Amino acid sequence: GAVVSQHPSWVICKSGTSVKIECRSLDFQATTMFWYRQFPKQSLMLMATSNEGSKATYEQGVEKDKFLINHASLTLSTLTVTSAHPEDSSFYICSASHRQMDGYTFGSGTRLTVV
Amino acid sequence: GENVEQHPSTLSVQEGDSAVIKCTYSDSASNYFPWYKQELGKGPQLIIDIRSNVGEKKDQRIAVTLNKTAKHFSLHITETQPEDSAVYFCAASTKGGGNKLTFGTGTQLKVEL
Repeated sequence: GAVVSQHPSWVICKSGTSVKIECRSLDFQATTMFWYRQFPKQSLMLMATSNEGSKATYEQGVEKDKFLINHASLTLSTLTVTSAHPEDSSFYICSASHRQMDGYTFGSGTRLTVV
Repeated sequence: GENVEQHPSTLSVQEGDSAVIKCTYSDSASNYFPWYKQELGKGPQLIIDIRSNVGEKKDQRIAVTLNKTAKHFSLHITETQPEDSAVYFCAASTKGGGNKLTFGTGTQLKVEL
């Protein structure tokens, strides 16, 4: 089946630094990538949607200059958290899909802790 | 936009019993309804999905039913086992993988010995 690899699985960074999270679709071409954030005991909240070769579409309330998304190829998308602060600490999850498919494949998530 | 409600938020059952989780959605254009199981510290894993042209789908101990008129769908797990303990999310989207998923609030299922 479809596999999405997400790295790193966890990262600790200092306040004010930037962190990049990668999401790769290993055996299919992901025309669309979704990035979610999940706080403890809560549901997944969509942050942004990116189509290959296009700028990402951000959900209301998500700062596009803080959460930089790149989807330059059909197999790779990255999320960069810039100038991270402790309130950005969360579980970040990517999801990949193809426009001709109904399904969505999720990455294993990245636990970000900003100290 | 789409709104998905999920109940109950927590569910505790004895091993071997059945578990039922219910979701309602608001957008009549939604036609794809997946269910995900999420274990602690991991990403969601698809366990079953249903499309709007089908009323019921079953895969071994797991089944999903869909009532388009009432805009609700349910997950049924029979003969529950301790390894079924996890958080379960329902979701809805309109046709096509390029469209976003809207998630329910999640159900913490605990299967007790």
